[in-house]
Amino acid sequence: DQQVKQNSPSLSVQEGRISILNCDYTNSMFDYFLWYKKYPAEGPTFLISISSIKDKNEDGRFTVFLNKSAKHLSLHIVPSQPGDSAVYFCAARANTGTASKLTFGTGTRLQVTL
Amino acid sequence: NAGVTQTPKFQVLKTGQSMTLQCAQDMNHEYMSWYRQDPGMGLRLIHYSVGAGITDQGEVPNGYNVSRSTTEDFPLRLLSAAPSQTSVYFCASHAPSEGNTEAFFGQGTRLTVV
Repeated sequence: DQQVKQNSPSLSVQEGRISILNCDYTNSMFDYFLWYKKYPAEGPTFLISISSIKDKNEDGRFTVFLNKSAKHLSLHIVPSQPGDSAVYFCAARANTGTASKLTFGTGTRLQVTL
Repeated sequence: NAGVTQTPKFQVLKTGQSMTLQCAQDMNHEYMSWYRQDPGMGLRLIHYSVGAGITDQGEVPNGYNVSRSTTEDFPLRLLSAAPSQTSVYFCASHAPSEGNTEAFFGQGTRLTVV
């Protein structure tokens, strides 16, 4: 049972345009959401996060939106740059009392073209 | 500024062999975890530890053992390697305090079991 879903395996966007990556979740106990970026042959790196008590968080070109009623979040990248080409993972945290576990989606490969 | 260091980067094992994937962090984080990344599956949690001497199972623990004798080190042991364990393995560390779940990942170990 995939609790965090990224239904688009890949996305291609022109440089300068907006990239929108989507993520859906099913577990109501998730209280914190994160986006990670991964280049080939490297480990994932943290990009941006949002608490479940907020509906938007912005950091430079990156904005994450959370719609709790729809159990949906999205990552907007504006403007997209060629260096943004990578695999993006959505992750969600559920506090279990003694530990914070992260559940990851399957990833979306973003390609930013010139 | 090492962060999370994983060794080796690449490894080929024969079925039935054993080996240990090493992971060390220098950020004094209490929480460490091991993930495996497979095509179309995202990152799945194998084992995690909330501090020295404390470990627990994640989503896919079978075939793997862990121990945490120090805050810095969290090795992952494969007792009898199987082809199904061919994957890319990532170690991560983070402080599981409220609002601070950002996980720092190592560069990964690409393991092939033949």
